[in-house]
Amino acid sequence: SQQGEEDPQALSIQEGENATMNCSYKTSINNLQWYRQNSGRGLVHLILIRSNEREKHSGRLRVTLDTSKKSSSLLITASRAADTASYFCATGGSGNTGKLIFGQGTTLQVKP
Amino acid sequence: EAGVAQSPRYKIIEKRQSVAFWCNPISGHATLYWYQQILGQGPKLLIQFQNNGVVDDSQLPKDRFSAERLKGVDSTLKIQPAKLEDSAVYLCASSLAPLGNEQFFGPGTRLTVL
Repeated sequence: SQQGEEDPQALSIQEGENATMNCSYKTSINNLQWYRQNSGRGLVHLILIRSNEREKHSGRLRVTLDTSKKSSSLLITASRAADTASYFCATGGSGNTGKLIFGQGTTLQVKP
Repeated sequence: EAGVAQSPRYKIIEKRQSVAFWCNPISGHATLYWYQQILGQGPKLLIQFQNNGVVDDSQLPKDRFSAERLKGVDSTLKIQPAKLEDSAVYLCASSLAPLGNEQFFGPGTRLTVL
């Protein structure tokens, strides 16, 4: 079952620009996480935001969470060519298994 | 610290053959996950272990897929017999504890079923 839906599916920007990706989900969550996947590699955890938090920062990353709208956004500021990758949101349910359900992902291309 | 190890990295088999994947999680991580990622999609959880017990296997096609985590450390995922639609990347991940923790992923095994 797919919980998160991401928008846009693909995004192409110039180096130095900001990139914004959105994620919507359907059921209540304990936390929401963002992961990055470079071509042909495993996923790397970027940031985790808990359901009682509204905004979180990590370096050039800013994540917001609106539980009333069941949505989250990931902002990458001052993008670099090395940010080219697929970005996935994953929702952690309120059950005690901590199961993550991943969205389809946004493919980001940053042109030098 | 060493990351999650997986082998093999690539595997090509014919349909109806069997295949096994191996995963060694990060030392001390009690929770281990196997995901299937079909091209162009996000990872889908197949099975989750807490130590050597199964926590969630609701999306594991149990007629052909099996997994075990003997001694609560390494894990093996097996497909027997394989179908064409099993072509995917199989990702192993681990975390310290299941709830509210980041997961650390291995590089994955890319399976092609011909």
